[in-house]
Amino acid sequence: KQEVTQIPAALSVPEGENLVLNCSFTDSAIYNLQWFRQDPGKGLTSLLLIQSSQREQTSGRLNASLDKSSGRSTLYIAASQPGDSATYLCAVNDDYKLSFGAGTTVTVRA
Amino acid sequence: NAGVTQTPKFRILKIGQSMTLQCTQDMNHNYMYWYRQDPGMGLKLIYYSVGAGITDKGEVPNGYNVSRSTTEDFPLRLELAAPSQTSVYFCASSYPPGSEGEKLFFGSGTQLSVL
Repeated sequence: KQEVTQIPAALSVPEGENLVLNCSFTDSAIYNLQWFRQDPGKGLTSLLLIQSSQREQTSGRLNASLDKSSGRSTLYIAASQPGDSATYLCAVNDDYKLSFGAGTTVTVRA
Repeated sequence: NAGVTQTPKFRILKIGQSMTLQCTQDMNHNYMYWYRQDPGMGLKLIYYSVGAGITDKGEVPNGYNVSRSTTEDFPLRLELAAPSQTSVYFCASSYPPGSEGEKLFFGSGTQLSVL
């Protein structure tokens, strides 16, 4: 059974600092990994999807890396802004279904 | 483009009552999912469907039922509601894994309380 862990559970940084969010998973036989953003009281929005054959994906200030062999992914957010405050979840797809981590709640202080 | 639409947004049920959570998507996605999210926890898969007429259990299916008569709709039925079913429920849809555009799209959720 796939287990997905995100550490830390919460993170507070001053505006402008780079964010590093970690995700680990127990079974490396995955199809892909997705990073999502969730705002309070809202649904999840997909930020980046990394195929199992890829090492990283980039979108604007966001960069996600994947090391499948070690069961790790990292989401980098450059030059954080208060609007980046949200909960970030990673999810791995290993059997046509996604297994989610509990998320990292990020607060960016102005 | 509406995406994934869930109704209702909020609901309070008494123990033993039943209800149906509605989910519809307009992106012609084959795959549809129901998840529940408890405070401080990741999302848990309840049921999923890979196409009209095909459904399968996820990680936490007990106390729930689903049907998929059309590509667009995937309702979730709660029978004999229990306090343990108090949660936020999310519907999601996607193209099949490995296909172009396989990102998961989520509805805005239904907050359900069973008292």
